[in-house]
Amino acid sequence: LAKTTQPISMDSYEGQEVNITCSHNNIATNDYITWYQQFPSQGPRFIIQGYKTKVTNEVASLFIPADRKSSTLSLPRVSLSDTAVYYCLVGAYNTDKLIFGTGTRLQVFP
Amino acid sequence: GAGVSQSPRYKVAKRGQDVALRCDPISGHVSLFWYQQALGQGPEFLTYFQNEAQLDKSGLPSDRFFAERPEGSVSTLKIQRTQQEDSAVYLCASSLGGSFGQYFGPGTRLTVT
Repeated sequence: LAKTTQPISMDSYEGQEVNITCSHNNIATNDYITWYQQFPSQGPRFIIQGYKTKVTNEVASLFIPADRKSSTLSLPRVSLSDTAVYYCLVGAYNTDKLIFGTGTRLQVFP
Repeated sequence: GAGVSQSPRYKVAKRGQDVALRCDPISGHVSLFWYQQALGQGPEFLTYFQNEAQLDKSGLPSDRFFAERPEGSVSTLKIQRTQQEDSAVYLCASSLGGSFGQYFGPGTRLTVT
């Protein structure tokens, strides 16, 4: 499974757009990129998944350049409730395990 | 509908005691996963079941850790002779199949004193 690198922490203010970039230089052809969100005292929650270009859902957008060696999770107009740890994962769709890194701790201030 | 539930939510054990952590997956979910999450770290894979078959237990840290899912539904993670380094949150997740559709439970926080 490809290793991922992402910032340890980020700060933002309510109403701002937040972009969290993840590097995955050794991504394999059949690997997908998936982001999870984890609040304190809860298990991780799936946010978004993509293979290439751009994916958008009601929560976030995921931008993946053509070389797929990095990806950017974009959270529009964050609120205090978006304060959480965000994990970038890379792996084949049919992999039997998820490999989490240390994630990015996002703190949103009023 | 009901999500993944885990019990107990908190467990304090004296060093050397055995503990059993329970996971109730989402009904109909074939795959079940256990993870260990140390403070400030991401979850680490422990083991994986497909129905009652344990297909991967490569993440279990020692032979003191044992997991079972005898009827392909509820799963139990057992830790024998607990040590301080076993203190962590133990997360259970289930999916219809495949890793990326996993739904996680709230976890059991184990503290070994």
